[in-house]
Amino acid sequence: DIQMTQFPSSLSASIGDRVTITCRASQTINSDLHWYQHKPGRAPKILIYAAVGLQSGVPSRFSGSGSATDFTLTISSLQPEDFATYFCLQGSSIPFTFGGGTKVEI
Amino acid sequence: EVQLVESGGGLVQPGRSLRLSCVGSGFRFEDYAMHWVRQAPGMGLEWVSGIDWDSGNIDYADSVKGRFTISRDNAKNSVYLEMNNLRPEDMGFYYCAKDARAFYRGSWYDNWGRGTLVTVSS
Repeated sequence: DIQMTQFPSSLSASIGDRVTITCRASQTINSDLHWYQHKPGRAPKILIYAAVGLQSGVPSRFSGSGSATDFTLTISSLQPEDFATYFCLQGSSIPFTFGGGTKVEI
Repeated sequence: EVQLVESGGGLVQPGRSLRLSCVGSGFRFEDYAMHWVRQAPGMGLEWVSGIDWDSGNIDYADSVKGRFTISRDNAKNSVYLEMNNLRPEDMGFYYCAKDARAFYRGSWYDNWGRGTLVTVSS
């Protein structure tokens, strides 16, 4: 199975901060890496697909980069509604696997 | 608007069975693969199972293989997860997720439900 290591597991940030979250795959997954936002009691929401694709309707302050084994989600200017848990998903190989999540707190 | 609504969760004793359902709306259900993903209390997400648009390909996590069965009824816009011989470690929120494509290999999930809670306890 492909292991996804996500870091940090949590971070504290302020409104307007630039936030970077990383996922590292235990083997190459090409660009089959996707990022989600999850708030308690709500359905997870896709932000970035295929490493760099911004999902329709998602604000442009979210961006993704990387390929092969190392991937990054960046929030350029943190907004109040961005406080949530973020996780990555690799869709390259079955079983699909997730990063452990990053909780972004004030 | 795409909506996925899970149901069927609840309290069940170890060794018993439960059937989860997920109804999709706001999209052409028969055109997309579907998945079940779970999250145990305090743990990360775990992919459980996926099914292609026509049920032609089905896969399971090793942790549930032989005990869980995924199926779909495109006429009812529904995907199901039959869970047998439940164990305490199966406890958690179960999410239904819509794939972005008809075939799930190399794809991603573009919509999720809010989940249904399964509690396995005597």
